[in-house]
Amino acid sequence: QVQLVESGGGVVQPGRSLRLSCRATGFTLTNHGMHWVRQAPGKGLEWVAGLWSNGRTRSFADSVKGRVTISRDGFENALYLQMDGLRAEDTAVYYCARDLRYWVYDVWGQGTTVTVTS
Amino acid sequence: QSALTQPASVSGSPGQSITISCTGTSSDVGAYKFVSWYQQHPGKAPKLMIFDVNERPSGISYRFSGSKSGNTASLTISGLQAEDEADYYCSSYTTSNTLLFGGGTTLTVL
Repeated sequence: QVQLVESGGGVVQPGRSLRLSCRATGFTLTNHGMHWVRQAPGKGLEWVAGLWSNGRTRSFADSVKGRVTISRDGFENALYLQMDGLRAEDTAVYYCARDLRYWVYDVWGQGTTVTVTS
Repeated sequence: QSALTQPASVSGSPGQSITISCTGTSSDVGAYKFVSWYQQHPGKAPKLMIFDVNERPSGISYRFSGSKSGNTASLTISGLQAEDEADYYCSSYTTSNTLLFGGGTTLTVL
């Protein structure tokens, strides 16, 4: 069964760091581009970052550029999002999503919640 | 970059058809055929409904269709059913090698 399961969310203070994980089952993660999309409470979807299937090409939204890194571990079949210098506006549910082909997301995780508050 | 523009809400009665628009610019919606639509029920993850403007993934009902004209894409749902009530988001690849989502449209089935 093709599935994505996120973890690592929590409540953190502004300026702190958090690492989100996304474990894939039922498919080989490194064969696909993988992305992170977030949704602030009561708001719409916002693309955050993407990692291409080649494992080298990355792209980031302007809102997180310089504060976020995206990586993967083929052995663990997992995707990661390292977030530093967290801000209140980073508060959201973070979803990982599989890229079917060119920015089309056919598999989504259930999301992990990040709350940034003092 | 600003989000793509969608109406905040639309509504229709069972059996009717509705259309949700998604307006961007020549740098996103107007530039490529890479427009997708997602359905999201409350508390759930988004679900892919349409990709490449008018392609349906396996398992998605023929009642869902997409189109595009210039900088505006549209999602049409025909034969409205109660289970179609949800939020709908469009997305488009951009010339900046990023992805933009629309602000979302809440569909109410009366």
